Amino acid sequence: NAGVMQNPRHLVRRRGQEARLRCSPMKGHSHVYWYRQLPEEGLKFMVYLQKENIIDESGMPKERFSAEFPKEGPSILRIQQVVRGDSAAYFCASSLETSSYNSPLHFGNGTRLTVT
Amino acid sequence: GNSVTQMEGPVTLSEEAFLTINCTYTATGYPSLFWYVQYPGEGLQLLLKATKADDKGSNKGFEATYRKETTSFHLEKGSVQVSDSAVYFCAYLRGGADGLTFGKGTHLIIQP
Repeated sequence: NAGVMQNPRHLVRRRGQEARLRCSPMKGHSHVYWYRQLPEEGLKFMVYLQKENIIDESGMPKERFSAEFPKEGPSILRIQQVVRGDSAAYFCASSLETSSYNSPLHFGNGTRLTVT
Repeated sequence: GNSVTQMEGPVTLSEEAFLTINCTYTATGYPSLFWYVQYPGEGLQLLLKATKADDKGSNKGFEATYRKETTSFHLEKGSVQVSDSAVYFCAYLRGGADGLTFGKGTHLIIQP
């Protein structure tokens, strides 16, 4: 049973380009969370999605960032017109149900975005 | 506001030493508490968890006890190994849609 798969593992973009980060949840999981990890900081919640729905995007920057989780295919985190401050590790996590004590999050290995 | 505070790292210990990583939280209600571990180049893995006061989570020789009176969930291990070198994150779950709230992480370095 494959775990949460994220790709690419490393992504380099120049300022102003677009970054697309992909996440395939664990088999059977329909709940996806995206987190950002900045250097020397913990993980910050960005967005929570279920299939075809954004449930909570309170942690997403209001501009340039968007996320989707279509009926078919992986969840996508999209960052338009990247800036140096977007350089970070982006982690996707999935769960069977809404994250709870009995339905813990399973994390992917992350995508490390570097903006030059 | 709600938050998790962990001791700052890096924490450097010799092999077989006793480990404590402090974690305290501020949150309303009775959150579930977790410790996650992140090995170099990997994502986070659930290490242990506890859901109510005085519960003890344990796994791989690590333990943490949910202390409601001190709002703490300190991670302990009696004898660490080099392979325990990683970043450890304390987290709580209030329930609802925003998932886990994490501390900043504590980098643990175990020297042979």
